[in-house]
Amino acid sequence: GNSVTQMEGPVTLSEEAFLTINCTYTATGYPSLFWYVQYPGEGLQLLLKATKADDKGSNKGFEATYRKETTSFHLEKGSVQVSDSAVYFCALIDPLETGANNLFFGTGTRLTVIP
Amino acid sequence: ETGVTQTPRHLVMGMTNKKSLKCEQHLGHNAMYWYKQSAKKPLELMFVYSLEERVENNSVPSRFSPECPNSSHLFLHLHTLQPEDSALYLCASSPSFNGGGYEQYFGPGTRLTVT
Repeated sequence: GNSVTQMEGPVTLSEEAFLTINCTYTATGYPSLFWYVQYPGEGLQLLLKATKADDKGSNKGFEATYRKETTSFHLEKGSVQVSDSAVYFCALIDPLETGANNLFFGTGTRLTVIP
Repeated sequence: ETGVTQTPRHLVMGMTNKKSLKCEQHLGHNAMYWYKQSAKKPLELMFVYSLEERVENNSVPSRFSPECPNSSHLFLHLHTLQPEDSALYLCASSPSFNGGGYEQYFGPGTRLTVT
């Protein structure tokens, strides 16, 4: 089956610190991988995505590389800002899944960045 | 207005009430989704509509009743809810439902409290 496991939070960092949020997955087929971000009081927004092995998704200084050999898609940012405080969700779509295009989400990781 | 909108943003209802949540997408997408987001649980897919036809119903209790009158609008009708139904209900849309790894675009959600 399909599942996504991401590190539990909360994560608290000082401004300009390096961020890593781990995400690993299991999938029946060859999935597309996503990171979504949810700012306080808002819905989920797509942050970045990767659709095949070794692809690197990037946006707003965040990066994640699709590692098929380790079934991972870890989120990184070199220097976080207070405005990055949010909940981050790792997710996948498995095209072999019947009725595909269902997103499988991790439980989310809350990040708080302090000045 | 652009993107995915949801109304109301907040709703408090008693267990005997009947209410409806509304979602509208202005993206020209053909698929729409309802999700339930509860604290400390993964996002749960409730319903999927593709071209106004329901294609997925993940064992959701009958007290939740979806309606998709056209490809731009999606409703979730609520009746005789339980306190454990209190959650953030998120609507999303995507260009198509049939695989392809399309990302989903989310609305801001309706925060529902059942008293």
